[in-house]
Amino acid sequence: AQKVTQAQTEISVVEKEDVTLDCVYETRDTTYYLFWYKQPPSGELVFLIRRNSFDEQNEISGRYSWNFQKSTSSFNFTITASQVVDSAVYFCALSEPRDSNYQLIWGAGTKLIIKP
Amino acid sequence: DAGVIQSPRHEVTEMGQEVTLRCKPISGHDYLFWYRQTMMRGLELLIYFNNNVPIDDSGMPEDRFSAKMPNASFSTLKIQPSEPRDSAVYFCASSLVRVAGAETGELFFGEGSRLTVL
Repeated sequence: AQKVTQAQTEISVVEKEDVTLDCVYETRDTTYYLFWYKQPPSGELVFLIRRNSFDEQNEISGRYSWNFQKSTSSFNFTITASQVVDSAVYFCALSEPRDSNYQLIWGAGTKLIIKP
Repeated sequence: DAGVIQSPRHEVTEMGQEVTLRCKPISGHDYLFWYRQTMMRGLELLIYFNNNVPIDDSGMPEDRFSAKMPNASFSTLKIQPSEPRDSAVYFCASSLVRVAGAETGELFFGEGSRLTVL
């Protein structure tokens, strides 16, 4: 069955520290997509990245980087030199496009607190 | 370019009352989604539309919930009668293409409508 596990409910670090948010997924398919979304205190969810299952290259975008490892079914997200503005809830999500219905399977989210 | 617009941002109502939440998707997006977020259940997909046609409403909790999309620029989610357990943040999101075979497949979310049913 499809499942996304974000085992870290809450992480608190001091500004400028590096922090990694874990995401482990379960899927039956060889073709799937993984996502990360950010939900800042203002409430709206903001798309960060989409990765398909055939692209195992790690991605870097500024202070953000993503490590996709199919061998461990993980898609971890690292923030380097964290800033207070990074404080938010971060969601990992999975989609199997083979399904006839569109459905993102969401993790429970990790609340990230960056202290000044 | 305007993002997804939802109204009202906050709604407080009494049990038994009708609640209507509104959404204006991003122009040109042909998928529209309604989600509900609670602490207990996280993010739940309620229903989604493609080109104004409901595709999957299996996430709608019960008959008290209904959703419409009369045109490409407007959708409503209605709860009648409302109950305290409906209290949640309701999000509308739009997307240009499905995830399958999509160039982006990303969802653009509105700011949400926080509903409190007393």
